[in-house]
Amino acid sequence: AQKITQTQPGMFVQEKEAVTLDCTYDTSDQSYGLFWYKQPSSGEMIFLIYQGSYDEQNATEGRYSLNFQKARKSANLVISASQLGDSAMYFCAMREGGTNFGNEKLTFGTGTRLTIIP
Amino acid sequence: DAGVIQSPRHEVTEMGQEVTLRCKPISGHDYLFWYRQTMMRGLELLIYFNNNVPIDDSGMPEDRFSAKMPNASFSTLKIQPSEPRDSAVYFCASSQGRGNQPQHFGDGTRLSIL
Repeated sequence: AQKITQTQPGMFVQEKEAVTLDCTYDTSDQSYGLFWYKQPSSGEMIFLIYQGSYDEQNATEGRYSLNFQKARKSANLVISASQLGDSAMYFCAMREGGTNFGNEKLTFGTGTRLTIIP
Repeated sequence: DAGVIQSPRHEVTEMGQEVTLRCKPISGHDYLFWYRQTMMRGLELLIYFNNNVPIDDSGMPEDRFSAKMPNASFSTLKIQPSEPRDSAVYFCASSQGRGNQPQHFGDGTRLSIL
């Protein structure tokens, strides 16, 4: 089974609208972390937001927020008031194991290509 | 602050040649990661180091690939001999570890093996 599933290969969204990028994950660990990265057409990987499995509140960073539903094992990225510069690939990733386990491996999903339409 | 620095940015070489990719992590980061990104396989972790020691190399494709980290500020990924199927973008990333700290990626090396 895929550890990280991103079911939307591509999305087109009108500028200034909000957009939700889906991510579901599969793990038997109680302690894990979820990360979202943005990859513009220039190719670099940019960290956006982090959610820990024990975090009681959904993470927020500026226009980015995470809709974390632990029971459903989903960690959807919400971008508010989308801008043309948000056009990029977006990757969800998971790190399994507790903080002290020393497992720093990230498993990435296949990504969603977001295109913002003016 | 300087981010993760990779060199070269682009490499084109012929099959059979040795390829060396270089990475300078962010100062103070204890962990260093090498990834490969292709259209077919997505983003794959090849190997990662903690305090210059390889921790997990289970993603290294085969013996033609080797990685070293002689000190805290430098790492190399070598492919010898190179093959066309090694063509990909190779990323280096570093982090402070401790769970909630993100990995910071370099700009990548786009490798083409002819």
